[in-house]
Amino acid sequence: DGGITQSPKYLFRKEGQNVTLSCEQNLNHDAMYWYRQDPGQGLRLIYYSQIVNDFQKGDIAEGYSVSREKKESFPLTVTSAQKNPTAFYLCASSIAGGGGQETQYFGPGTRLLVL
Amino acid sequence: AQKVTQAQTEISVVEKEDVTLDCVYETRDTTYYLFWYKQPPSGELVFLIRRNSFDEQNEISGRYSWNFQKSTSSFNFTITASQVVDSAVYFCALSEAMNYGQNFVFGPGTRLSVLP
Repeated sequence: DGGITQSPKYLFRKEGQNVTLSCEQNLNHDAMYWYRQDPGQGLRLIYYSQIVNDFQKGDIAEGYSVSREKKESFPLTVTSAQKNPTAFYLCASSIAGGGGQETQYFGPGTRLLVL
Repeated sequence: AQKVTQAQTEISVVEKEDVTLDCVYETRDTTYYLFWYKQPPSGELVFLIRRNSFDEQNEISGRYSWNFQKSTSSFNFTITASQVVDSAVYFCALSEAMNYGQNFVFGPGTRLSVLP
């Protein structure tokens, strides 16, 4: 079965701690994305990557970092600089980036809570 | 700048009623794409439909139908004979063709509750 997996489902962060959210896809998609969703709100783009070893900041990149060493994987690190990290994080992928027409497909999400 | 408005924050209907979810968008691009996603309580966004700006034909898929009107910049979604399983948050999204970053702009979502 092709799809996007995210782990863990729930993640707890202590003050001053960096945590990493995993996102893996086996759809052979070139582009991958990270979104943040706060209660009662829409999705906001954190980072996106059109191709391996390249990524771009989205609208709310401060306090986050990413890497794209493999086509299948796009991990997101929430650093201690992110002062309000409690949110639902969604990873997505699409066949290719650019042109706007590609449908993004989403993983099941990771809920991050601060202790 | 692109923007998506979903004015209905929450809607409640009784099972078997028809319901329409509104989506109004803003863009300066002549080529753009509109999407609807469903987010059930589990949290994962499920893709429902994509429509490009050159195709104004309405679309029907089972109990779902979409009405795209460029003249009013709207892309409304109707569920006919609603069921409890339709209860979810529904998001409308816009992507512009000139946007290299493939950035979607999502509306705030409409929470639909279908009561038995």
